[in-house]
Amino acid sequence: NAGVTQTPKFRVLKTGQSMTLLCAQDMNHEYMYWYRQDPGMGLRLIHYSVGEGTTAKGEVPDGYNVSRLKKQNFLLGLESAAPSQTSVYFCASNQGFQETQYFGPGTRLLVL
Amino acid sequence: AQSVTQLGSHVSVSEGALVLLRCNYSSSVPPYLFWYVQYPNQGLQLLLKYTTGATLVKGINGFEAEFKKSETSFHLTKPSAHMSDAAEYFCAVSAVNTGFQKLVFGTGTRLLVSP
Repeated sequence: NAGVTQTPKFRVLKTGQSMTLLCAQDMNHEYMYWYRQDPGMGLRLIHYSVGEGTTAKGEVPDGYNVSRLKKQNFLLGLESAAPSQTSVYFCASNQGFQETQYFGPGTRLLVL
Repeated sequence: AQSVTQLGSHVSVSEGALVLLRCNYSSSVPPYLFWYVQYPNQGLQLLLKYTTGATLVKGINGFEAEFKKSETSFHLTKPSAHMSDAAEYFCAVSAVNTGFQKLVFGTGTRLLVSP
């Protein structure tokens, strides 16, 4: 039982390049979330999903797209990376409203 | 809308001393409240949470927090700090009526423990 895993762990992009971050969970959770963490700002919700095939915008969705084609996977895409997207990205999942969110180890992204 | 304020971006204590990390929240509906810990280069791990019922909540590693509605606070305490407690701690709030767990995080407090 690996919990929540994220791929890759670290990536460097040039401005304008695109990439996809992969989040996978093996706990059969319905809900999945993408956050970004910036110094002095805590974690902010980018997008979330309440089930397979559904996605919704969070607090800071601009510049990102997501897809949840399979229940266990939640993909975060950057179509044209900008330096402002340099951050640490965390994925999380949980089963229900009162249930604990389990976080992945994070992806550190540097956009030059 | 919900918000969280964590007083003090850094807190320093000596090993064996009391740990007190402050969290105040704002919520227009009954809140669920959480404390998460983040060790260097790792994801967040739940320490404890308050949903309903007993207002004094005990978590892992000897931490506890008390929900005080009148003070809109959820401060985290531990009687005796250990070197391994050095980490960053995040308080978070979630609204009861949103239908899913939308967490709003504070900006975090880094706990430093000296020998």
